Amino acid sequence: DVKVTQSSRYLVKRTGEKVFLECVQDMDHENMFWYRQDPGLGLRLIYFSYDVKMKEKGDIPEGYSVSREKKERFSLILESASTNQTSMYLCASQVDRGSVYTQYFGPGTRLTVL
Amino acid sequence: EDKVVQSPLSLVVHEGDTVTLNCSYEVTNFRSLLWYKQEKKAPTFLFMLTSSGIEKKSGRLSSILDKKELFSILNITATQTGDSAVYLCAVELYSGAGSYQLTFGKGTKLSVIP
Repeated sequence: DVKVTQSSRYLVKRTGEKVFLECVQDMDHENMFWYRQDPGLGLRLIYFSYDVKMKEKGDIPEGYSVSREKKERFSLILESASTNQTSMYLCASQVDRGSVYTQYFGPGTRLTVL
Repeated sequence: EDKVVQSPLSLVVHEGDTVTLNCSYEVTNFRSLLWYKQEKKAPTFLFMLTSSGIEKKSGRLSSILDKKELFSILNITATQTGDSAVYLCAVELYSGAGSYQLTFGKGTKLSVIP
């Protein structure tokens, strides 16, 4: 069974702090994604990665950066946290084999920025 | 343990057919149920359902929630090849202190053939 884990379920940070959110998957998937989820807005893609050291911007990358040094690990970095980054952050991994592209989601990290 | 189960896991239909996708859940502190369409890049938000018996419609797609029987259905009429995707169901839960989390089902892979 696919397992996607995120480093924290809940996190409280102060404005201006640097924040690291880590995601690990154990299924050797090529593709990994970071989303944020806000009430009524659905999932919005922040960044994704199709390979180690590869990253691409999603729909809302401003204020975020990512790192993928190893295939199983994809980190989301908030360089200087702001209150409008208070949200639920979801990581997903996806196998890329022809027409199969199901994404498997982690449990989410609820980040509050004070 | 919170659970979201989608059925069927995969479905192949011909263009013009009508399909019904199912999502049942067993969770505590239910807040809403969400449907997403997932194609190559990222899920697209379709519907958010919070009240029983009120149908939401968007073009050929519609969805309804039954909070007594704990399930939702997503209907697609007059299917087109562009409807081919994985459809994800997610349940939003209160997790205390004003925060919430999302639990996703494994998805239904719909293939529409000409």
